[in-house]
Amino acid sequence: SQTIHQWPATLVQPVGSPLSLECTVEGTSNPNLYWYRQAAGRGLQLLFYSVGIGQISSEVPQNLSASRPQDRQFILSSKKLLLSDSGFYLCAWSLNRGAGTYEQYFGPGTRLTVT
Amino acid sequence: AQKITQTQPGMFVQEKEAVTLDCTYDTSDPSYGLFWYKQPSSGEMIFLIYQGSYDQQNATEGRYSLNFQKARKSANLVISASQLGDSAMYFCAMRERGNAGKSTFGDGTTLTVKP
Repeated sequence: SQTIHQWPATLVQPVGSPLSLECTVEGTSNPNLYWYRQAAGRGLQLLFYSVGIGQISSEVPQNLSASRPQDRQFILSSKKLLLSDSGFYLCAWSLNRGAGTYEQYFGPGTRLTVT
Repeated sequence: AQKITQTQPGMFVQEKEAVTLDCTYDTSDPSYGLFWYKQPSSGEMIFLIYQGSYDQQNATEGRYSLNFQKARKSANLVISASQLGDSAMYFCAMRERGNAGKSTFGDGTTLTVKP
């Protein structure tokens, strides 16, 4: 069965510090991968998605970046965090078979507080 | 224009009763998928049910069913025989076939089941 991991679970970082959140998927190959951010009490905002190694699409221009160095590894980074980067970050995967409308499966999330 | 609209910020239901959570969507793509997710207070996003735009019958998964009215562009979630553990935030989402696998989420409905 497939499993998706995220770490760390919680993170408190000062403004201006760097960020690295990691997501890995087990039990599947060549998945689509996604990073979402959720503000308190709100829906999910898609930040980045990837259909393959090294292929990243950005949905929202900001000081965050994403990378996919391996098939089942997705990393969210920032060189300098802003207060507005606080939120709940969710990684997700879905099957990648053409343009099908497959459901997404989410990791446990990382709660980031920028102070 | 918002693609997914959930008009009920909060809903209450008595234990063992049925409840309907509303979702309307907007798309010009003839091929799309509609999803419902549950987010308990722990933060994890749990996939509940999927409806394809070409599916002739409403989707059902255990106590969950999706009332799909294509002409009205609505995809309401019906939870039968509510349980205390159903208390959570519920999100409606849509993925258009021509949108490279990206999903759009509504702002969610918080459901509280009363004993």
